[in-house]
Amino acid sequence: DQQVKQNSPSLSVQEGRISILNCDYTNSMFDYFLWYKKYPAEGPTFLISISSIKDKNEDGRFTVFLNKSAKHLSLHIVPSQPGDSAVYFCAASGSGNTPLVFGKGTRLSVIA
Amino acid sequence: SQTIHQWPATLVQPVGSPLSLECTVEGTSNPNLYWYRQAAGRGLQLLFYSVGIGQISSEVPQNLSASRPQDRQFILSSKKLLLSDSGFYLCAWDRGQNTEAFFGQGTRLTVV
Repeated sequence: DQQVKQNSPSLSVQEGRISILNCDYTNSMFDYFLWYKKYPAEGPTFLISISSIKDKNEDGRFTVFLNKSAKHLSLHIVPSQPGDSAVYFCAASGSGNTPLVFGKGTRLSVIA
Repeated sequence: SQTIHQWPATLVQPVGSPLSLECTVEGTSNPNLYWYRQAAGRGLQLLFYSVGIGQISSEVPQNLSASRPQDRQFILSSKKLLLSDSGFYLCAWDRGQNTEAFFGQGTRLTVV
């Protein structure tokens, strides 16, 4: 049973345009959500997070939106740059000291 | 500042051989520690996590085991490797509830 779903395995965007990566979750107990970026043969690096008490969090070119009623979150990257090309993982955790649950990832390709 | 070390970076092992992957964290105390595996098309799968010395929770039944002999040391082991154990293994740590996890650089394990 997949609790965190990233239904788009890949996304291709032109440089300078907006990249929108989507993530859905099924567990209503999740209250903390994160996005990670991963290059090949490297560990994932933390990008941005959002608590369930918020619906938006912004950090430079990256903005995460949370829609709790729809159990959906998205990551917006604007403007997209070629260096943003990587696999992006959505993750979530619930109350208590519980591990992060990851989606399968979306491969973003930013074309110059 | 905190750092996480994971080694080796790559490993080729024959079927039936033992395995020992080590991970250490510096600059923090009493971290939560995790072992994840990334297999093709399957995202980041949580294998084990630990909230303290000697405390190990297993998420997926398999022929792997984990140990935490010291506060900042996490070891992934196997007595006899299977071909299906091939993958990219990642160690991670965090400070607890609603905090981001930080990943090591990963170990590419190929069982031949």
